[in-house]
Amino acid sequence: SSELTQDPAVSVALGQTVRITCQGDSLRSYDAGWYQQKPGQAPLLVFYGKNNRPSGIPDRFSGSISGNTASLTITGARAEDEADYYCNSRDNTGYHGVFGGGTKVTVL
Amino acid sequence: QVQLVESGGGVVQPGRSLRLSCVASGFTFSTYGMHWVRQAPGKGLEWVAIIWYDGQNKYYADSVKGRFTVSRDNSKSTLYLQMDSLRVEDTAVYYCARDLREWFGEFDFDHWGQGTLVTVSS
Repeated sequence: SSELTQDPAVSVALGQTVRITCQGDSLRSYDAGWYQQKPGQAPLLVFYGKNNRPSGIPDRFSGSISGNTASLTITGARAEDEADYYCNSRDNTGYHGVFGGGTKVTVL
Repeated sequence: QVQLVESGGGVVQPGRSLRLSCVASGFTFSTYGMHWVRQAPGKGLEWVAIIWYDGQNKYYADSVKGRFTVSRDNSKSTLYLQMDSLRVEDTAVYYCARDLREWFGEFDFDHWGQGTLVTVSS
């Protein structure tokens, strides 16, 4: 299996930009997805693939991938963006899913 | 609209079994791969299992392989997770999730249920 590594926590001032990263060998072969999870709620897909944002997700959420690192950027962070963010992909076999450990985003 | 509703969680002793169900509505269940994902209290997400649209292929996380079995009944739009030989470390909220794309499974989860809590304790 493969691992995806995320920073445990990051903070951002209201209205500023924050980038969350996710590293893993399998990202050289497979795209990443990004999920937002607020306390007591199920995760919500906010970005996936090379350039895909699900319907209803604000365009301040964007993603990118380079080499073994995927990134989620929140441009103009709002108070409601405070949440845990998880990346996911497949492992090197391609038949198993894997999640990063999650990044807690605090909006100051 | 797409809905996924899990049930079957509860408190169970170590070594015992439990079966979770996930009833789907609002989409053609038989054309989508489906997943189970779990989250231990205060911890991160862990992928558990996938079953392809037709039930012919199933894959499991190493942590549950040989103990858990995923299945589906497309005529009832229902996904199942049979959990045997449960351990304390299986305690978690279990979510069913739909794969974003039809047919095989691409491991992007665009719809999730509300989750059902499984507590394994003596």
